[in-house]
Amino acid sequence: RKEVEQDPGPFNVPEGATVAFNCTYSNSASQSFFWYRQDCRKEPKLLMSVYSSGNEDGRFTAQLNRASQYISLLIRDSKLSDSATYLCVVGAGTALIFGKGTTLSVSS
Amino acid sequence: NAGVMQNPRHLVRRRGQEARLRCSPMKGHSHVYWYRQLPEEGLKFMVYLQKENIIDESGMPKERFSAEFPKEGPSILRIQQVVRGDSAAYFCASSSGTEEFVYGYTFGSGTRLTVV
Repeated sequence: RKEVEQDPGPFNVPEGATVAFNCTYSNSASQSFFWYRQDCRKEPKLLMSVYSSGNEDGRFTAQLNRASQYISLLIRDSKLSDSATYLCVVGAGTALIFGKGTTLSVSS
Repeated sequence: NAGVMQNPRHLVRRRGQEARLRCSPMKGHSHVYWYRQLPEEGLKFMVYLQKENIIDESGMPKERFSAEFPKEGPSILRIQQVVRGDSAAYFCASSSGTEEFVYGYTFGSGTRLTVV
């Protein structure tokens, strides 16, 4: 089992759609959780941290279920500029572990 | 604050040559992490260093790859006798060592290595 697994994608949605990404992780000792965004041929950039209570940042909502070892990201009212690859990231031990990412393409 | 600086941005090497990738962490950061991203793949952890110390090199290939973070100067990822399979984007990230599990890492723009 991979350490961090994500929906394979790609997700192709129209502007204004709501889209949800899922992620599972294998290490029950994981203590920190993030969603990063990576644009084509660019470096990953932190989108948001994920807390046990769930958290929201504008159109983005992240949820964590420690019992199921499951993380989600919900994007509401998708914009063209949301097109990117979204990386689920889990921290345990000395380094952050990245999922392979899910590609989102928003079209007009 | 210049952020994490990596150079060169692009590096072309012939098979068998050496590649040296440099990373200067953000001001105030003393922890450096190197990741490799193969084409169409996710980021894979390679090594975690603090000044003059390798903390975790569990992701480093056993041969040809080495990393250092000297007391003065940037961190260096060195690949000896490069092969075509080393072609990838190499990203460096830095942290203060106290907040990365709250705020994550800050990445540099990466070095794209092409082996011909």
